[in-house]
Amino acid sequence: GNSVTQMEGPVTLSEEAFLTINCTYTATGYPSLFWYVQYPGEGLQLLLKATKADDKGSNKGFEATYRKETTSFHLEKGSVQVSDSAVYFCALSRSNDYKLSFGAGTTVTVRA
Amino acid sequence: GAVVSQHPSWVICKSGTSVKIECRSLDFQATTMFWYRQFPKQSLMLMATSNEGSKATYEQGVEKDKFLINHASLTLSTLTVTSAHPEDSSFYICSARSEGKRLAEAFFGQGTRLTVV
Repeated sequence: GNSVTQMEGPVTLSEEAFLTINCTYTATGYPSLFWYVQYPGEGLQLLLKATKADDKGSNKGFEATYRKETTSFHLEKGSVQVSDSAVYFCALSRSNDYKLSFGAGTTVTVRA
Repeated sequence: GAVVSQHPSWVICKSGTSVKIECRSLDFQATTMFWYRQFPKQSLMLMATSNEGSKATYEQGVEKDKFLINHASLTLSTLTVTSAHPEDSSFYICSARSEGKRLAEAFFGQGTRLTVV
């Protein structure tokens, strides 16, 4: 079956530090890959996505590249801000029906 | 993005009672809604998929008689936890999507924290 494994947290960083959250997946075929973010007190929001190998998703300074050879979709941001403090979820769907399989989530805290 | 509202945000109930959780799409028509459950420090697990006007499709291992899902309109789906027990305590999250191109992604509610005592 499909599964997603992401780096355990919590992660604590200083402002302007580099952030990487590792995510690897197991799936048959060619899944679509997503990163969702949940800010305190809010619902999950789609941060970025990639639908085929070598695609790069990007949004709000975050990037992730769909690497089929390593079955990975690591999230990166070059310079984090306090406002990036949130829980980040890696997810996949086998098709475009948005039935998502999620990783466990990584809590990121950015300190001023 | 579109807004999905979930109510209540938290609820405490006695063992043996039933609890209803609502999921509403506020500014779009949701042809499909999904219900997820999250245990502490674990992934969100898909429980079921519901399409407006038809029976929900449950994932393997999810008791359909215990977790009743009703998607009666294009803006409302409800999850009823029947005869709740302490092991049903969890965080329940819904998401909704439209078949329309503009809203191809799924939008999530804020989640409901259920505690059964």
